[in-house]
Amino acid sequence: QQPVQSPQAVILREGEDAVINCSSSKALYSVHWYRQKHGEAPVFLMILLKGGEQKGHEKISASFNEKKQQSSLYLTASQLSYSGTYFCGTVADSWGKLQFGAGTQVVVTP
Amino acid sequence: DGGITQSPKYLFRKEGQNVTLSCEQNLNHDAMYWYRQDPGQGLRLIYYSQIVNDFQKGDIAEGYSVSREKKESFPLTVTSAQKNPTAFYLCASSIGFETQYFGPGTRLLVL
Repeated sequence: QQPVQSPQAVILREGEDAVINCSSSKALYSVHWYRQKHGEAPVFLMILLKGGEQKGHEKISASFNEKKQQSSLYLTASQLSYSGTYFCGTVADSWGKLQFGAGTQVVVTP
Repeated sequence: DGGITQSPKYLFRKEGQNVTLSCEQNLNHDAMYWYRQDPGQGLRLIYYSQIVNDFQKGDIAEGYSVSREKKESFPLTVTSAQKNPTAFYLCASSIGFETQYFGPGTRLLVL
């Protein structure tokens, strides 16, 4: 079942922060975060395994709440380059089939 | 350099025609996938393959076919049965539970 992402879209000024949420109704093995620029392929940002660990990629970090089956992606001090559509992918099956959310469009303005 | 290549970048299909999209990887990944993306939408899984000579249908397999004769290659054929093929097609590969890495994509348009 497809995970649910919120919000659908967010507009930020450079330097502002944002949070993108990804939730699932299933028990999860891992959560993957990707960013896609317009007309390009999705680019992997980070993977979180169950255990509640938090990871970071430059000023982008994420957490995974195993009990709530929810992951959050934090964009800190946003830069223009952060614009794009962010997808979460969740893995619940034993063989690792990713289910992608519908995406969150992020627009960072000067 | 290791990576995933897709060709062509743009493909035009005439009505009733079958077309084949190429996907090659030299990452030594066992698993390969095909996704379809419509404008402003997420990624929908068409087919996936975990090992050579084996593949499974994804969520939207109707009108598509695949083969996996070599570990490195996973071509996708869009058949004439696919009535609405216009989309961005993405190929990906992975090792087990690890991250999926995507190719640059093929944009398919109908003439």
